[in-house]
Amino acid sequence: KQEVTQIPAALSVPEGENLVLNCSFTDSAIYNLQWFRQDPGKGLTSLLLIQSSQREQTSGRLNASLDKSSGRSTLYIAASQPGDSATYLCAAGDTGNQFYFGTGTSLTVIP
Amino acid sequence: GAVVSQHPSWVICKSGTSVKIECRSLDFQATTMFWYRQFPKQSLMLMATSNEGSKATYEQGVEKDKFLINHASLTLSTLTVTSAHPEDSSFYICSALDRGLWGYTFGSGTRLTVV
Repeated sequence: KQEVTQIPAALSVPEGENLVLNCSFTDSAIYNLQWFRQDPGKGLTSLLLIQSSQREQTSGRLNASLDKSSGRSTLYIAASQPGDSATYLCAAGDTGNQFYFGTGTSLTVIP
Repeated sequence: GAVVSQHPSWVICKSGTSVKIECRSLDFQATTMFWYRQFPKQSLMLMATSNEGSKATYEQGVEKDKFLINHASLTLSTLTVTSAHPEDSSFYICSALDRGLWGYTFGSGTRLTVV
């Protein structure tokens, strides 16, 4: 069964810093990988979706990469802002349309 | 873009009562919807997969008689927590696959508190 791990569990950075969130998965036979943001008490917001044939996706200050062979994905956030404070989840999708979620990284950006 | 509307966003109910949570795909047809549950400080866990017009498939350890799922149309799936107990208090969220975008769209979630 697919297992997804996110490191670190929590991260605190000063505003303006660039940062990287890590996601690793045990089964490289994924269909896609998706990064989400979850604000306290709120639902999930999809940030980036990377298909298995792709290496990276970019949206604004966010860049997500995917290395299937090593079972890793990273989410790069440039010039962090206090509004970026949230929990970031990655999820590996299989061909059966099921997602396996990591436990998330809680990010705090200090003004 | 694809939108999944989930209601209610939060609900407080008394122990022993039932609660129904709805998820609607607003601008696409969702033949398959997924229901997840998230306990505090834990990751989302898949509870069941709901297919339009057929019985839901439940994950191991999820009681199908307690968590009733109905997917009667291509745009609506419901999760009913029957005879709710305090340990059912959790965050429930649905998602649907928009095959046109090849992506999953998630509802905004429902915070259930059973007192």
